[in-house]
Amino acid sequence: GAVVSQHPSWVICKSGTSVKIECRSLDFQATTMFWYRQFPKQSLMLMATSNEGSKATYEQGVEKDKFLINHASLTLSTLTVTSAHPEDSSFYICSALTSGSKNEQFFGPGTRLTVL
Amino acid sequence: AQSVSQHNHHVILSEAASLELGCNYSYGGTVNLFWYVQYPGQHLQLLLKYFSGDPLVKGIKGFEAEFIKSKFSFNLRKPSVQWSDTAEYFCAVISGNTGKLIFGQGTTLQVKP
Repeated sequence: GAVVSQHPSWVICKSGTSVKIECRSLDFQATTMFWYRQFPKQSLMLMATSNEGSKATYEQGVEKDKFLINHASLTLSTLTVTSAHPEDSSFYICSALTSGSKNEQFFGPGTRLTVL
Repeated sequence: AQSVSQHNHHVILSEAASLELGCNYSYGGTVNLFWYVQYPGQHLQLLLKYFSGDPLVKGIKGFEAEFIKSKFSFNLRKPSVQWSDTAEYFCAVISGNTGKLIFGQGTTLQVKP
């Protein structure tokens, strides 16, 4: 099946710094990638939809200047959490769609971000 | 707004017991329905999906789900659970052509050996 990786798997940073999370589709080209956030014991909340070569579409309530998304190629999307604060601590998960996947998203393993 | 509701937040079963997890969605148009599982420390995996056709869908590891359009439901079932089924289960829906997955709140299943 299609494999999606994320790097890093966990990161600890100081408040005020920026953190970049990478999402890669390893064996397929991802026309669309999605970024989700998951709080402990809660469900996944869609943050934004990212299409290769175009600006990301953010969900209501998600600050696009704080969560910068770049989908520079068909196999890579990045999420940068800028000026991180403790309340940004969460589990960030990406997923990817291929043109032939008929709406089935393939999920990455997630990145645990802890902001001190 | 579209929403997905999972009725059971935490389910505890003994091995060999039967399982049914409820899922209801609010969207009235064409939907694609999914059940995902998240084992402890692992990433989301697809259990099964419904796009069209037979409303009774069989997935991996002995799971199945039934799409009942009139009830806006897509309940997950397994006749006999195992300890290894202990995990978090998420129902999700894509409505129309948005491509956006809307997740339910999740159900924690704990199977006692």
